[in-house]
Amino acid sequence: GESVGLHLPTLSVQEGDNSIINCAYSNSASDYFIWYKQESGKGPQFIIDIRSNMDKRQGQRVTVLLNKTVKHLSLQIAATQPGDSAVYFCAEMEAGGTSYGKLTFGQGTILTVHP
Amino acid sequence: DAGITQSPRYKITETGRQVTLMCHQTWSHSYMFWYRQDLGHGLRLIYYSAAADITDKGEVPDGYVVSRSKTENFPLTLESATRSQTSVYFCASRAAGWGNTEAFFGQGTRLTVV
Repeated sequence: GESVGLHLPTLSVQEGDNSIINCAYSNSASDYFIWYKQESGKGPQFIIDIRSNMDKRQGQRVTVLLNKTVKHLSLQIAATQPGDSAVYFCAEMEAGGTSYGKLTFGQGTILTVHP
Repeated sequence: DAGITQSPRYKITETGRQVTLMCHQTWSHSYMFWYRQDLGHGLRLIYYSAAADITDKGEVPDGYVVSRSKTENFPLTLESATRSQTSVYFCASRAAGWGNTEAFFGQGTRLTVV
C-alpha cells in the first residue's frame, strides 16, 4: 500500500481541552501573519490573521499571539472539538516592497482531537 | 458558480509530456497563486500574480510556466513533466488592498507523473 510519510509535527488533545499550535517564522519584513486550517482532501481555509504591529488578536474560540522578538507565532484554540481536527498552517504576507502580496506558508501541525 | 475552480481534479501523465493545470475564479480578485503540496508536507509557492500580465516567481518555480492574460484565469504549465512534480497543486486567489489577507483556495489537482 501507499506509504504515508508524514513529516509534520503532531498535537493530540482531548475534546474540551485548549490547544496551542506554534510556528516560527523567518521573514522580518512580513506585514501580516495568517493561520489556515486544512481538512483532509480540501484546500486550506483562512482562520485568523494578525498585523505585524500587534501582539494579540482574538476571534471566535481562537487567539493568535505574535512575538516578534523571537519570531514566533501561536494559535490557541479554546475548548477544542473533534471538528477542529485538521492540519494547521501559519503563513506570512508582505504588503509592500518587491514581494508585495506574496503569501508563503510555514510548517504545518497536525491536530487530532479525541472525543 | 461563484468561487475558484481547478481542473482537472486528477491527472496522470507520462514523463516528458507537457501538461496544463487550469484555475478560474469568479471574484475578479487581483492576486492569484499556485502552490504544490507533497504528501505529508506543507505548501510551497510556485508562482503568483498581482494582476493580469504580472507574474512573479515563488519558492519553487523551476520546470513551471504561468500566464495571466485575463484576471480570472491563471493556468500552470509543466513544460516537460518529471516524476518529482508528482504532487497536489492548489490554486488560490485574494483581493487586493491593505488588510485583505484571506486567500481562497481551490479543491486542488492531484497530478501523478509516471
